[in-house]
Amino acid sequence: AAGVIQSPRHLIKEKRETATLKCYPIPRHDTVYWYQQGPGQDPQFLISFYEKMQSDKGSIPDRFSAQQFSDYHSELNMSSLELGDSALYFCASSPAGRGTDTQYFGPGTRLTVL
Amino acid sequence: RKEVEQDPGPFNVPEGATVAFNCTYSNSASQSFFWYRQDCRKEPKLLMSVYSSGNEDGRFTAQLNRASQYISLLIRDSKLSDSATYLCVVNHNQGGKLIFGQGTELSVKP
Repeated sequence: AAGVIQSPRHLIKEKRETATLKCYPIPRHDTVYWYQQGPGQDPQFLISFYEKMQSDKGSIPDRFSAQQFSDYHSELNMSSLELGDSALYFCASSPAGRGTDTQYFGPGTRLTVL
Repeated sequence: RKEVEQDPGPFNVPEGATVAFNCTYSNSASQSFFWYRQDCRKEPKLLMSVYSSGNEDGRFTAQLNRASQYISLLIRDSKLSDSATYLCVVNHNQGGKLIFGQGTELSVKP
């Protein structure tokens, strides 16, 4: 079965650079979530989209923005990167609009900021 | 204090052992409950949803006590492949964000 696709899988950036992470949800899933998992920590919710509209916002820095496109894929844009942004970034998708809320996670993007 | 709290790990058990994980959540408005499994440096994978009536999937049994705001996971006949971090997860509404516990690491030894 098709799963959530994330790209790139690994990314290395310098401080103050920008990064764009992409997420392709499972087909027919209308809701996308972004989570950040720092070393030794549990995943923390950043932001979510339902039908291309932002549906919820968590502890996402103002330096980060995200959107969901007409084909339901989503991009997380990160600017002025800081060392503390080094983490695993997971995207999850769900057919939430269809009455079930199980979230399926992609393999993640490992971001390293030097 | 975290909204979802789990037993501190790690749990080191021999193959074939039975192991139980406990979890408490503080928000009584929580609607849905899950156990996820996460292997090192990989994505969380849904192990099972948790219902008030309790549910079982093979060697895994999950229980929910809404009155006590308590969730449990029982693993019987542990296998080496069960070694992972087990995350207790809740959300407040359908389609809402997941709130994770800090995870409990399980190591099953031969």
